[in-house]
Amino acid sequence: EDQVTQSPEALRLQEGESSSLNCSYTVSGLRGLFWYRQDPGKGPEFLFTLYSAGEEKEKERLKATLTKKESFLHITAPKPEDSATYLCAASQGAQKLVFGQGTRLTINP
Amino acid sequence: EAGVTQSPTHLIKTRGQQATLRCSPISGHTSVYWYQQALGLGLQFLLWYDEGEERNRGNFPPRFSGRQFPNYSSELNVNALELEDSALYLCASSSLAGPTNEQFFGPGTRLTVL
Repeated sequence: EDQVTQSPEALRLQEGESSSLNCSYTVSGLRGLFWYRQDPGKGPEFLFTLYSAGEEKEKERLKATLTKKESFLHITAPKPEDSATYLCAASQGAQKLVFGQGTRLTINP
Repeated sequence: EAGVTQSPTHLIKTRGQQATLRCSPISGHTSVYWYQQALGLGLQFLLWYDEGEERNRGNFPPRFSGRQFPNYSSELNVNALELEDSALYLCASSSLAGPTNEQFFGPGTRLTVL
């Protein structure tokens, strides 16, 4: 069964303290690995798509990487406004996204 | 460019009633997806429509149904509402014509079943 698992469930960091979020997946025929940011009560905001192992993408303080079994979202020198739930999703040929449970990130000033 | 829009923002129904949720995709997108996000659970795939046809369906009972109109907007209908249907319903759209298939989400409709 296709599955996406994110860890940790929740993470508290001090402002400026860098860390990484993990997303492991077991999806046959992976077509893409997606990262989204979701603020409370709102729809997910698209961040990145990764298509092949070794690929990396960056946006401001965020960098996403992909291996054959997992993806990492690295957060460098985070600010309080980076606090959100970060969702990972895998896509296969059926055009549906299989989402992980998310990592709830809190950045304390 | 306008994003995905959904209406209503909030919807309160009682058990056994029917709910209708609406979604307008990003201009130029032909695919619309529906997801359910219940409290404490991740996003669960409900339905995928493209060019007016249902293309894929998640593990939900038949009382969850929908349709896509010629202008690519979509409706999600939930019949015989149950308490556990209370959730945030999210609509996303994408274009299959491009090299990538990112899905862009709307703000969601919060459905509460009493």
